[in-house]
Amino acid sequence: QKEVEQDPGPLSVPEGAIVSLNCTYSNSAFQYFMWYRQYSRKGPELLMYTYSSGNKEDGRFTAQVDKSSKYISLFIRDSQPSDSATYLCAMSSYSIQGAQKLVFGQGTRLTINP
Amino acid sequence: KAGVTQTPRYLIKTRGQQVTLSCSPISGHRSVSWYQQTPGQGLQFLFEYFSETQRNKGNFPGRFSGRQFSNSRSEMNVSTLELGDSALYLCASSRDSRNTEAFFGQGTRLTVV
Repeated sequence: QKEVEQDPGPLSVPEGAIVSLNCTYSNSAFQYFMWYRQYSRKGPELLMYTYSSGNKEDGRFTAQVDKSSKYISLFIRDSQPSDSATYLCAMSSYSIQGAQKLVFGQGTRLTINP
Repeated sequence: KAGVTQTPRYLIKTRGQQVTLSCSPISGHRSVSWYQQTPGQGLQFLFEYFSETQRNKGNFPGRFSGRQFSNSRSEMNVSTLELGDSALYLCASSRDSRNTEAFFGQGTRLTVV
């Protein structure tokens, strides 16, 4: 079983829809949770970063972390064709020995149709 | 503020050769991590350097190595290239040792023929 599970999609929705992207994980030591957006042939771009459980909002994007369920979500409101990309969740833990590696989900390919 | 810069952007190498990839982190960032991205395996962690010390290493063979210089710039080297090493190699930098808020470069696309 992978440490981080993410539905690869593809996911196709009409412009203006609310998009929900999700990841589950098995390692309860994860403390830091991130969402990246990756356009074709580009490097991942950091969208949202949260520490521990809770919600964080940035414009049309909302990230939620539920550590009790080991479940994280990214919501995109009023989706635009420019949001079409692959979305990757990532998470890590931190110990006194230093930072741990980022563990990524497989990525969900999202298409917003005009 | 300049982002993470990776050079070269594209490379074509022959099996058995070796290759060196370069990464210049964001100014002020001391942590540099390397990842391999393939369609089948996704993003996989190679190694991470902080203040010239390798702190973490992923599950890759010894043919993959790296180093970090005093100015935080990093290089990774792959020796005795195999066809399966064809991938997008990504470098990420972060400000501190927590390695959170990691910012990625555009990557180096390596093709081994």
